[in-house]
Amino acid sequence: QSVLTQPPSASGTPGQRVTISCSGSSSNIGSNTVNWYQQLPGTAPKLLIYSNNQRPSGVPDRFSGSKSGTSASLAISGLQSEDEADYYCAAWDDSLNGLCVVFGGGTKLTVL
Amino acid sequence: QVQLVESGGGVVQPGRSLRLSCAASGFTFSSYGMHWVRQAPGKGLEWVAVISYDGSNKYYADSVKGRFTISRDNSKNTLYLQMNSLRAEDTAVYYCAKDLAVGATPLPPGSYGMDVWGQGTTVTVSS
Repeated sequence: QSVLTQPPSASGTPGQRVTISCSGSSSNIGSNTVNWYQQLPGTAPKLLIYSNNQRPSGVPDRFSGSKSGTSASLAISGLQSEDEADYYCAAWDDSLNGLCVVFGGGTKLTVL
Repeated sequence: QVQLVESGGGVVQPGRSLRLSCAASGFTFSSYGMHWVRQAPGKGLEWVAVISYDGSNKYYADSVKGRFTISRDNSKNTLYLQMNSLRAEDTAVYYCAKDLAVGATPLPPGSYGMDVWGQGTTVTVSS
């Protein structure tokens, strides 16, 4: 059971816009920034969005992030076949139980 | 180019120890916090530990606290993960990752994301 909750799967057709949600609590998303990672099959994860809505150099502007309260979302517009991957949200968690980085369980995106 | 290369993985019996290494190149290693993240077969990502750029601060996931130790040698541009009392559930691909933020930051470790990842090294705990 992951601390951050993501839907296990999402899908869309080429050109569509899809969103992936990430739900947390006041000790993580509610008080810290959210980052998103893309993991293509058989490869290491890649930073996609940092600090809620910032794109690292080289990440297409088709990818965008947002945060509101204790939830965050990743949006992918103009869906392409190469976007088929697993997507993970992550945030720092500073609860009374300890200080750590927490990940969502991941969302497998299928391009139909 | 910026690169991280993990090594030290292998097959180990439950209760034994293993030390992973991560060799960094292409950037000023001593200026960045570093993380270990693992992924069990067919499962999602699990953060393991982080160490600050100067080694003064370390944080661990509850699942490894007291058993794993993260450390770094800035003179050798190398990150380490000492894993003791290994369990079957520690079986995973272990990635080292560089923190995006440079030096001391006002936000907690990992807040800015992990922008460079190694290819991973596989640890299998089995009798």
